[in-house]
Amino acid sequence: GAVVSQHPSRVICKSGTSVKIECRSLDFQATTMFWYRQFPKKSLMLMATSNEGSKATYEQGVEKDKFLINHASLTLSTLTVTSAHPEDSSFYICSAGAGTANYGYTFGSGTRLTVV
Amino acid sequence: SQQGEEDPQALSIQEGENATMNCSYKTSINNLQWYRQNSGRGLVHLILIRSNEREKHSGRLRVTLDTSKKSSSLLITASRAADTASYFCATPTGNQFYFGTGTSLTVIP
Repeated sequence: GAVVSQHPSRVICKSGTSVKIECRSLDFQATTMFWYRQFPKKSLMLMATSNEGSKATYEQGVEKDKFLINHASLTLSTLTVTSAHPEDSSFYICSAGAGTANYGYTFGSGTRLTVV
Repeated sequence: SQQGEEDPQALSIQEGENATMNCSYKTSINNLQWYRQNSGRGLVHLILIRSNEREKHSGRLRVTLDTSKKSSSLLITASRAADTASYFCATPTGNQFYFGTGTSLTVIP
């Protein structure tokens, strides 16, 4: 079945630095990838939709200059948290699919980001 | 916000009992999906029910959908300790997903 690999699974960084999270579709081509953020005991909040070869579409309230998304190939999307602050600490999850959301998407295992 | 809501937020039952959780959503949908998330882990797709379906089964899972009420329920029968997790409903809108607030299920052995 479709597999999505997300890396790293955990990362700790200092305030002010940037962190890159990768989301790869291993056995299929993903024209669309999604990035979610999840706070403790909270639901997942869609941050942005990443389309291969075009600019990402950000949800309202998500700073595009802070959360840089690049979907340069059909198997890789990256989320870069720039100038990280402690309030950016969260669980970030990506999902990928080759079609519309109507058929279900495959999710990565998530990245726990801690900014100290 | 297009985010749905789930009820209850937390549920604790004894092993062997049934667990029912409900989801309400706000927009018209083509389908509704249920996901499971173990603590600190990614999501696992459980089941998808289409808007023209009223009930669907998968193993110990039973999902119902009432589009007139914009609600769905997930029933887990004969629960096991390993079912302890958070459960989310998700509604695709166009090319995007919106998740419900989730139900945290604890199954006590």
